[in-house]
Amino acid sequence: AQSVTQPDIHITVSEGASLELRCNYSYGATPYLFWYVQSPGQGLQLLLKYFSGDTLVQGIKGFEAEFKRSQSSFNLRKPSVHWSDAAEYFCAVVPRGAQKLVFGQGTRLTINP
Amino acid sequence: DSGVTQTPKHLITATGQRVTLRCSPRSGDLSVYWYQQSLDQGLQFLIHYYNGEERAKGNILERFSAQQFPDLHSELNLSSLELGDSALYFCASSDTGSETQYFGPGTRLLVL
Repeated sequence: AQSVTQPDIHITVSEGASLELRCNYSYGATPYLFWYVQSPGQGLQLLLKYFSGDTLVQGIKGFEAEFKRSQSSFNLRKPSVHWSDAAEYFCAVVPRGAQKLVFGQGTRLTINP
Repeated sequence: DSGVTQTPKHLITATGQRVTLRCSPRSGDLSVYWYQQSLDQGLQFLIHYYNGEERAKGNILERFSAQQFPDLHSELNLSSLELGDSALYFCASSDTGSETQYFGPGTRLLVL
C-alpha cells in the first residue's frame, strides 16, 4: 500500500548532539518530499522539500535532508540540536498526479539539557 | 508567519451542533486545502479547492462540506458534530502549479 512511514514515534537527544529522523515512503513513482515541524500549540512550518536534482537539500533552522532513491528514504538531519528544536516533525509526500499531502505519523523530539 | 490565516483559533461546541471554520490563503494563492489532525488518525487530507472549484476529496465525512468564495477565502462546515470530530483543523494554500503547501495556525475544535 502507498504510505509514508516514520519509524520513530519519540526520540530524545541531548542539546548539542546530532539528530537524524527517519522517513520512508512506498510509492511507485518518487513523490515530492517534504519535512514539516509542529511546535506545541502551533501550526505546521515547512522545513525543506525535495523535488529533483541534488539529493542533499538544505532547509531552515540548520536542518538538511538526504534523498536516497534506492532506500526510498528522505531522512532529516541536524548536526547540533538546540532546546528550541523540541517539537513534532512530520515527513510528508505529494504523490505524483495527486493534489494532497500524505503525512507520516510524526516523530516527537525531546531535547535533554 | 506563513501568510495563511484561520479563524477562530479555538471552538468549543456541543454534539449535534454545526460550526464553520474560515481560512484565508496567502496573497495570490488560488489553491486551498483542508486537513484534520487527530490523535488516532494523525494528519488527514480532507478536500482541495482551486479558484472556487473542488479539485480533490479525501477522507471527508458527508457531514462536512467546504467551499471557496470569489475572494478565495474558504470555509469548512462541520454539521451534526460528534465527540470524535474533536480535532485540530488546518488550512493550507499553494501557488498555481506548485506542490508546496503553506499551513495556517489551525482551528482547535472541541465537541462536548
